[in-house]
Amino acid sequence: DVKVTQSSRYLVKRTGEKVFLECVQDMDHENMFWYRQDPGLGLRLIYFSYDVKMKEKGDIPEGYSVSREKKERFSLILESASTNQTSMYLCASSEDQATGTEAFFGQGTRLTVV
Amino acid sequence: GQNIDQPTEMTATEGAIVQINCTYQTSGFNGLFWYQQHAGEAPTFLSYNVLDGLEEKGRFSSFLSRSKGYSYLLLKELQMKDSASYLCAPESNQGGKLIFGQGTELSVKP
Repeated sequence: DVKVTQSSRYLVKRTGEKVFLECVQDMDHENMFWYRQDPGLGLRLIYFSYDVKMKEKGDIPEGYSVSREKKERFSLILESASTNQTSMYLCASSEDQATGTEAFFGQGTRLTVV
Repeated sequence: GQNIDQPTEMTATEGAIVQINCTYQTSGFNGLFWYQQHAGEAPTFLSYNVLDGLEEKGRFSSFLSRSKGYSYLLLKELQMKDSASYLCAPESNQGGKLIFGQGTELSVKP
């Protein structure tokens, strides 16, 4: 059974903290994605990676960075957490650049910044 | 750039048919995904269209017109469990990049 695992379901952090959200997939997928989901705004792409050590900015990369040192792991980093980064964060993975390959999602991390 | 438009909310009756529309403008278009997301859960794959026309899969069908930048998801014989958000996602040829529309929240009433 395919699996994308996010390290935490719920997280509460203080403003200014450095926050790490971890995502691991066991499907040997090349592509990995980080999204945030907010009411009325849908899923918005923060960063994606199509190979180890490769990354591309999505639509809303400001305030975030990512790391992909190993194929199975894609980390989202909030350098200095702010209250407007309170959101649901979803990680996803998919096979290589062939068309039509579905993305598999983790269960999400609900981050609250206080 | 990319622009995706779908209705925010729809309501339908159990047993009925509902059509959820999606229009998109995207550079380097490959094909179009539809995903379903129940409240509090992760999105799951429903369909993928790369050619023009209708693809049928049980109670769900998806249509694509590449020239018009238009797709729809058709749900037949609605069941209460179909109450969910439906996400339209045009696929870019930019290295697998996947962008979603804001989603259509479907409520199925008895």
